[in-house]
Amino acid sequence: DIQMTQSPSSLSASVGDRVTITCRASQSIRRSVNWYQQKPGKAPNLLIYGAITLQSGVPSSFSGSASGTDFTLTISNLQPEDSATYYCQQSYTRPWTFGQGTKVEIK
Amino acid sequence: QVQLVESGGGVVQPGRSLRLSCTASGFTFSTYEMHWVRQAPGKGLEWVAVIWHDESEKYYADSVRGRFTISRDNSKNTLYLHMNSLRDEDTAIYYCARDQGGARMDYWGQGTLVTFSS
Repeated sequence: DIQMTQSPSSLSASVGDRVTITCRASQSIRRSVNWYQQKPGKAPNLLIYGAITLQSGVPSSFSGSASGTDFTLTISNLQPEDSATYYCQQSYTRPWTFGQGTKVEIK
Repeated sequence: QVQLVESGGGVVQPGRSLRLSCTASGFTFSTYEMHWVRQAPGKGLEWVAVIWHDESEKYYADSVRGRFTISRDNSKNTLYLHMNSLRDEDTAIYYCARDQGGARMDYWGQGTLVTFSS
């Protein structure tokens, strides 16, 4: 199975900060990575697919990038409503696997 | 608008069976692949199973293969997860999710909780 190692596991940042979350795949997966946001008590919400493409309706403050087996989710201009846990997911091959999650808190 | 509503969760005893349902509306259910994804309390997301739009193919996580069966009834816009030989480690919120293409899950239900009695 492909392992997705996500870091950090948690972070605390201020409103207006730029936040970066990274996922490293255990093997080459091209750009087959999706990013989800999950707020407490809610279902996950698709933010980015194909490593870099913003899902319809998602604010442009979210962006994704890829370099080899490293994938990054960036939140620019962090807002209070961005407080959530973020997960990466590889969609390259079954079984589809998720990173462990990154909890983003607002200072 | 797209809606997915899960039901069927509850408290069960280890070794017993349970059937979860996911009723879809707001889109042409019969044309989409569908997934089950679960989340143990306080833990991350774990993909469980996927079914092709026409039921021609089904795939499972190793942790549930042989115990769980995914199915669908396109005439009822409903997805199912039949869970047999349940174990304590199956305790989780179970979500159904629509596959937008390429295993990207664009709509999720609110989840249904499966827990165990001692």
